[in-house]
Formats: sequence, structure tokens, C-alpha cells
Amino acid sequence: EVQVVESGGGLVQPGGSLRLSCAASGFTFSIYSMNWVRQAPGKGLEWISYISSSSSTIYYADSVKGRFTISRDNAKNSLSLQMNSLRDEDTAVYYCARGGGPSPFDYWGQGTLVTVSS
Amino acid sequence: AIQMTQSPSSLSASVGDRVNITCRASQAIRNDLGWLQQKPGKAPKLLIYAASSLQSGVPSRFSGSGSGTDFTLTISSLQPEDFATYYCLQDYTYPLTFGGGTKVEIK
Repeated sequence: EVQVVESGGGLVQPGGSLRLSCAASGFTFSIYSMNWVRQAPGKGLEWISYISSSSSTIYYADSVKGRFTISRDNAKNSLSLQMNSLRDEDTAVYYCARGGGPSPFDYWGQGTLVTVSS
Repeated sequence: AIQMTQSPSSLSASVGDRVNITCRASQAIRNDLGWLQQKPGKAPKLLIYAASSLQSGVPSRFSGSGSGTDFTLTISSLQPEDFATYYCLQDYTYPLTFGGGTKVEIK
């Protein structure tokens, strides 16, 4: 069974840092690209980052470029998002989602809540 | 960035109704469009990919159509479990962009 499970969310002060993780299982992680998507409270979905299967290609939304870093460890079937210089507007549920293949975004984690507040 | 304009933003419908939700891209995106369903407190679920392909396990009352700039999600006969928010997503080019969402409520 395919599973992706996020962790690492929590309460952080503005300007602080947090590292999210996504553990994947039930599929060959190393051949799939991955994405992070977030959803602010009561708002819609926002794509924020993509990483290719080999980490050779990475994209970010303008809203997080220069502050967030996506990475992956194919040996450990894991995806990460390092978030620095956090702002109030980064408060959201963060989801990891499988990309690539014929049906991208076919599997999502349950999400992890990040709250940026003093 | 490609803008995805989704309409309506909300609608009220009855069980058994036919429902159409549209998404318009600010530039042509071939058929690189997906539709997702999200229920409160839950992760989004992929319904349709490549504009018209039904994701495995999704009921056949869901269908998608369109290419280029104009796309439609159709629910042929609305069921109680279909009351949710629906999003389109273009995966033609980065940054990927979602539509603003359509909340389907019970009439």
C-alpha cells in the first residue's frame, strides 16, 4: 500500500526555522518526483516546491524561493523541506504529494500543521 | 505564472443533480490538468488526470473534458459523499497552479 506521511510541523516564531519530513513507502520512491503543497487556514491549495527523482531539477514558488529548500534521500525513501525565515503567512497545513508518472498528485500525505506566531 | 480561474466558487445542489465545474487557464496547457476533491480536514484526492482520465478507484459519475484553456469537471449524478471542495491543477509548467476551488454544498 502506497503511503506518504509528513512530520515535523509545530509552532515557531516569526523568523524561525523548521524542517518538515515526508516518509514514503509502498512504491519505488527513487523513480518518482515529489512535491510540497500547502493550505493556509480556510484557504485554497498552493503548490510550493518540486524535486525530480534524482534531485537534478528543483522548482519553488516565488512565495518561498530563497527561504525554503527541498531535498530527498532516495536511500531512506524520504523527502524534506527546510523552512527558514518563516513568516506569519507561512502558517498552513503542509502536504507532500507524489508527482510524475501518468497521474501526478495521485498520493498525498495527511498533512502537518505549521503555525508561525509570536 | 499560469492563472487558473475556476467557477463557480460555490454552488448548491441536490442529490441526483448534474454538476459542472469549469476551469480556465490563462494560456494553453494542452491537457495537463487534474481535478482533486477535498473534504474538510482531509488531504486532497485525485479524481481526474490528463484532463479526462479517471483515476483508479474513482466512481464513473465523475468525468473531465477539455484541452487548451477550457476544462470541465462533471458529476453526472451528485451523491451525498460528493459534497466537498473541488480544485483544478495545471501541471503543464512550473510554477504549478491550482484553481481557487469550488465548494459544493447541499441544497
